[in-house]
Amino acid sequence: QSALTQPASVSGSPGQSITISCTGTSSDVGGYNFVSWYQQHPGKAPKLMIYDVSNRPSGVSNRFSGSKSGNTASLTISGLQAEDEADYYCSSYTSSSTLVFGGGTKLTVL
Amino acid sequence: QVQLQESGPGLVKPSQTLSLTCTVSGGSISSGSYYWSWIRQPAGKGLEWIGRIYTSGSTNYNPSLKSRVTISVDTSKNQFSLKLSSVTAADTAVYYCARVRSGRYIDYWGQGTLVTVSS
Repeated sequence: QSALTQPASVSGSPGQSITISCTGTSSDVGGYNFVSWYQQHPGKAPKLMIYDVSNRPSGVSNRFSGSKSGNTASLTISGLQAEDEADYYCSSYTSSSTLVFGGGTKLTVL
Repeated sequence: QVQLQESGPGLVKPSQTLSLTCTVSGGSISSGSYYWSWIRQPAGKGLEWIGRIYTSGSTNYNPSLKSRVTISVDTSKNQFSLKLSSVTAADTAVYYCARVRSGRYIDYWGQGTLVTVSS
């Protein structure tokens, strides 16, 4: 299985909004509404931010939102804050009953 | 609150078998619609899904690692384990164990354990 495609890096200023894309195929992202997003700070384990395309776990800020169109899912962070600076990974369930991750996107808050 | 903790050797010699165990606390490994998974991350690189197991013993593996991976579960000890055979330096990574809810997203992660493959 091939990794999902994410931009290597994105950046934004405090208060702005950014969007991270995650592109797969009809066998993963496009075939199921089972895309999740994870935030990872250096030296820490990843943290679930979005599941099933657009659902937020309890305790995650409503500044984080998710969507999907065709084979591409997106994570949007509004009202950027310094603490949002981290690596972000998308993941999708696949037709082979496996999970696949994206390559990760480094978010820099300017 | 569910907690997961990886344990095992931090150094493995090339061609040998890497063995890790994940101990689950704060809940029964057998309860609910959960799969239990292993993920790894080489230094400075992205996450790679290794495989998952259901408490029935049913498994799914990353096709790129399938020939070398075995994941097993011991419900009596509330643990699940990873074995990766014929390791090389490319298998050096932080290994995470995790709980997969409904088989499709990870809601709990262990803290991760660094395994280095070196002679």
